Amino acid sequence: GAGVSQSPSNKVTEKGKDVELRCDPISGHTALYWYRQSLGQGLEFLIYFQGNSAPDKSGLPSDRFSAERTGGSVSTLTIQRTQQEDSAVYLCASSLELVMSNQPQHFGDGTRLSIL
Amino acid sequence: DAKTTQPTSMDCAEGRAANLPCNHSTISGNEYVYWYRQIHSQGPQYIIHGLKNNETNEMASLIITEDRKSSTLILPHATLRDTAVYYCIATYNDYKLSFGAGTTVTVRA
Repeated sequence: GAGVSQSPSNKVTEKGKDVELRCDPISGHTALYWYRQSLGQGLEFLIYFQGNSAPDKSGLPSDRFSAERTGGSVSTLTIQRTQQEDSAVYLCASSLELVMSNQPQHFGDGTRLSIL
Repeated sequence: DAKTTQPTSMDCAEGRAANLPCNHSTISGNEYVYWYRQIHSQGPQYIIHGLKNNETNEMASLIITEDRKSSTLILPHATLRDTAVYYCIATYNDYKLSFGAGTTVTVRA
């Protein structure tokens, strides 16, 4: 497809389980970003990738969160030992290059994660 | 990033133009004005951006005042599917996007 694709669109899991969220960026986009958005709240930056490298992981809430990107394309965000406060919509975005000033970020529709 | 101010909400009639204002009086010379929108249960959608000149694409037009202290997003023929929260941001080189409260636009038939 032409846009950013995320899967699954919805995920319900029990507290303590691990989850893996997937993002397929727009073809040719070198920069990839993960955010999360809690109900009625703004965007919370988690991590970005330039190619396969993650220069800024500062937004990851705890060491239970990790992300990787392979082949400069697909990225996965993994949350281990999920907690109820992890419930949110996890959004992925990509841009042609990192520099924001003239490169808009294009978002997927997110994965709605619910921890029971 | 420069602070932006937008009205909380506005209504628009279907088929009419929707003019969404944004104030960014402290914008610096290298900051771009970006517009995004978020329709319920969807991810944010990029609409348009500009630096100094007015811009137009298939979705909208962006009018930036000569002093760059404010801008207006114009949806030329609003449809019901344009009902969303619209966000204006002024940014340079900041890859960590952050939205304010935005303007809730309701298009009415």
